[in-house]
Amino acid sequence: NAGVTQTPKFQVLKTGQSMTLQCAQDMNHEYMSWYRQDPGMGLRLIHYSVGAGITDQGEVPNGYNVSRSTTEDFPLRLLSAAPSQTSVYFCASSYSRDYGELFFGEGSRLTVL
Amino acid sequence: GENVEQHPSTLSVQEGDSAVIKCTYSDSASNYFPWYKQELGKRPQLIIDIRSNVGEKKDQRIAVTLNKTAKHFSLHITETQPEDSAVYFCAAPKGDNNDMRFGAGTRLTVKP
Repeated sequence: NAGVTQTPKFQVLKTGQSMTLQCAQDMNHEYMSWYRQDPGMGLRLIHYSVGAGITDQGEVPNGYNVSRSTTEDFPLRLLSAAPSQTSVYFCASSYSRDYGELFFGEGSRLTVL
Repeated sequence: GENVEQHPSTLSVQEGDSAVIKCTYSDSASNYFPWYKQELGKRPQLIIDIRSNVGEKKDQRIAVTLNKTAKHFSLHITETQPEDSAVYFCAAPKGDNNDMRFGAGTRLTVKP
């Protein structure tokens, strides 16, 4: 199993550009989520999904869209990038929608100029 | 996250000493409390978790204690080693799903 795979690992954008961070898991996990990590602020939940076709907002959803058309994939879209979205993004998955271990991807470092 | 406070933000210990990191949470309905370790440049990984039906859980040199009345839980690392140096995050759920809110993290440095 590859686990949770994120692409790209690094990306530089200009303000106003859009892009999609890809996330895929091969563990048949029901739950998937996106976090952003900023210095001194821990991991903050952006959006999450408890199954295909179901998504919901986390703590900091503004400026981001998600969709879950399949169990495996959970892409994160930045609609119009802003410097405040410069961060490291982590995708995570879990076997169940109930509480349990989160398996994280390797992270994607995004810089918005 | 606003629901979980973590202290201290940095902790430096001598190899062989113990380290304790404490977190407090606000939602009294929370019943699952994990701890993640993140080494430099790596992804966070679960090291131990506890559910609210027990007060303490141990795994070799790592233990977690939970005080539901006071709404706090702590990570204890004994006989620290240089490879324990990392950032540690606590988390607690918000709501019914696996919507985990993380503390701001503690950077632990173990000096040889």
